[in-house]
Amino acid sequence: NAGVTQTPKFQVLKTGQSMTLQCAQDMNHEYMSWYRQDPGMGLRLIHYSVGAGITDQGEVPNGYNVSRSTTEDFPLRLLSAAPSQTSVYFCASRSTGRGTEAFFGQGTRLTVV
Amino acid sequence: AQSVAQPEDQVNVAEGNPLTVKCTYSVSGNPYLFWYVQYPNRGLQVLLKYITGDNLVKGSYGFEAEFNKSQTSFHLKKPSALVSDSALYFCATRTPGTASKLTFGTGTRLQVTL
Repeated sequence: NAGVTQTPKFQVLKTGQSMTLQCAQDMNHEYMSWYRQDPGMGLRLIHYSVGAGITDQGEVPNGYNVSRSTTEDFPLRLLSAAPSQTSVYFCASRSTGRGTEAFFGQGTRLTVV
Repeated sequence: AQSVAQPEDQVNVAEGNPLTVKCTYSVSGNPYLFWYVQYPNRGLQVLLKYITGDNLVKGSYGFEAEFNKSQTSFHLKKPSALVSDSALYFCATRTPGTASKLTFGTGTRLQVTL
């Protein structure tokens, strides 16, 4: 199994551009989420989904949109990139069982200039 | 609101010595607790987790952690550090529930030297 796959691995955007970060998992997990990792701040939750068609905001949702049309895919859209969105983005998934751990993708390093 | 504190940005230890990475949490009820490790340019992978039961949890690569409810701590330990243990370690918690969310500490960089 591939687990959680994120594309692209690296991306440079100009301020104001939009883009979509892709995330796919092949473990049939109901729960998926997006985090951003910034130095000294740990991982912060952007958006999450508990199943196809259901999404909700996390801690830092502004400037990002998500959708969940299938169980497997959970893309993250940056609407109008800003330098403050320079970060490493991680997608994660987990099953809904008791105490289950999250599985993470390898991350997307995004730089907004 | 739940929170996790990792008081040390970096821990330095010599190979062969024991190591401890500290974590305290603030959450209502009985939390799930996790330790994740991140190697350079990689995603996070779980080392161990506490759900319920025995307070001493054993995980991958010889790591263990002790759940201490009275001190609200979940420190990560290893009896004998290896250079290959050098990485970024995150403590995380979530409350039981389908939609419950992981809350991470700020991370501790472990540096093991020869």
